[in-house]
Amino acid sequence: EAGVAQSPRYKIIEKRQSVAFWCNPISGHATLYWYQQILGQGPKLLIQFQNNGVVDDSQLPKDRFSAERLKGVDSTLKIQPAKLEDSAVYLCASSLERPEGTEAFFGQGTRLTVV
Amino acid sequence: AQSVTQLGSHVSVSEGALVLLRCNYSSSVPPYLFWYVQYPNQGLQLLLKYTSAATLVKGINGFEAEFKKSETSFHLTKPSAHMSDAAEYFCAVSDSGNEKLTFGTGTRLTIIP
Repeated sequence: EAGVAQSPRYKIIEKRQSVAFWCNPISGHATLYWYQQILGQGPKLLIQFQNNGVVDDSQLPKDRFSAERLKGVDSTLKIQPAKLEDSAVYLCASSLERPEGTEAFFGQGTRLTVV
Repeated sequence: AQSVTQLGSHVSVSEGALVLLRCNYSSSVPPYLFWYVQYPNQGLQLLLKYTSAATLVKGINGFEAEFKKSETSFHLTKPSAHMSDAAEYFCAVSDSGNEKLTFGTGTRLTIIP
């Protein structure tokens, strides 16, 4: 079974530029998440989708971050404009709906460096 | 709101010694609890999970954890450490109604030859 695919693996941009990340979840997984992991910290949820609807985006900085999940499959996360403090690893994860699914499966992440 | 606290941001053990990584949780509803491992430049891999069945949970790579409701704990153990166990370990909590994970701050495990 293929895992969660993310691209790119690494990205370096200057502050105030824009950037986009892509995620392809495990086939059949209705729930998709984007997490932000700052160096030395645990992952923090940015947004959770159920199919193509948003379940939770309470911690998404909506003035600069946006995310979409078209057709309930792939998802993109965009930052515009980027700030230095956005430097982090952005992890995408997917899971089955409860009660069938209890754990999330993670991609390898995209490491963003803002200079 | 749910949360987990991992005691000790860095733990060092000798190869062959017992590994004990501590996690305490806070939840207003029966929790689901998870341990994930993260190797350098990799995503998170599930080690084991507790979902209200057996309180002693066995995972991959010889790890296990015990759910203790009275202590609100879910500590991770391994009887004998290997060099390959060196990584960052995260405890996480969710509840039966929502798959969203809340992570602890992580514990970096170093194995001393």
